[in-house]
Amino acid sequence: GAVVSQHPSRVICKSGTSVKIECRSLDFQATTMFWYRQFPKQSLMLMATSNEGSKATYEQGVEKDKFLINHASLTLSTLTVTSAHPEDSSFYICSVGAGNSNQPQHFGDGTRLSIL
Amino acid sequence: GEDVEQSLFLSVREGDSSVINCTYTDSSSTYLYWYKQEPGAGLQLLTYIFSNMDMKQDQRLTVLLNKKDKHLSLRIADTQTGDSAIYFCAVLFGNEKLTFGTGTRLTIIP
Repeated sequence: GAVVSQHPSRVICKSGTSVKIECRSLDFQATTMFWYRQFPKQSLMLMATSNEGSKATYEQGVEKDKFLINHASLTLSTLTVTSAHPEDSSFYICSVGAGNSNQPQHFGDGTRLSIL
Repeated sequence: GEDVEQSLFLSVREGDSSVINCTYTDSSSTYLYWYKQEPGAGLQLLTYIFSNMDMKQDQRLTVLLNKKDKHLSLRIADTQTGDSAIYFCAVLFGNEKLTFGTGTRLTIIP
């Protein structure tokens, strides 16, 4: 069964809208979750590491004020794309690690965000 | 820095074996993974191997690791139409960040 649940699967909205994406760990408590972005026909790029109870760690070049991450519980992390613009259109995927960095990450089904 | 590379495309006849290759540039790898992505979907973990292993087999899947050459491969035996997808190798380096390859699109020829 699914280990990670990600919602919504698809969002289409107007420029300037803020969009929230949820990532839930179904099988275990996750102190760490990861957010990736994937442009068409490209690989996954890590945006940030979401840490339960503390601030997220953002990768170089990712605007933390643009992509707000909240990890308030051991089973839920949210990514909010604030004031989204067409260039933010992409496929966003979250993953969950088992807490041990040597364990494989399990991925959600992704959210396709389209900004008009 | 860490770099992971794959061929972009592979076409295989149904029933044949598929071999997807991956090379990486940093020697501090710990775990190496293979993920499958179908259109519009997230990533499905297929298998993974620890860096001190040479081979791992799981049903139709065989992973080979040549750490000296920094080369990883995934062999899919008896390839079926349902195997059509993009396959990503991913390497966990010493900095504990997962770095993905460019992905290989596997096309099955009937």
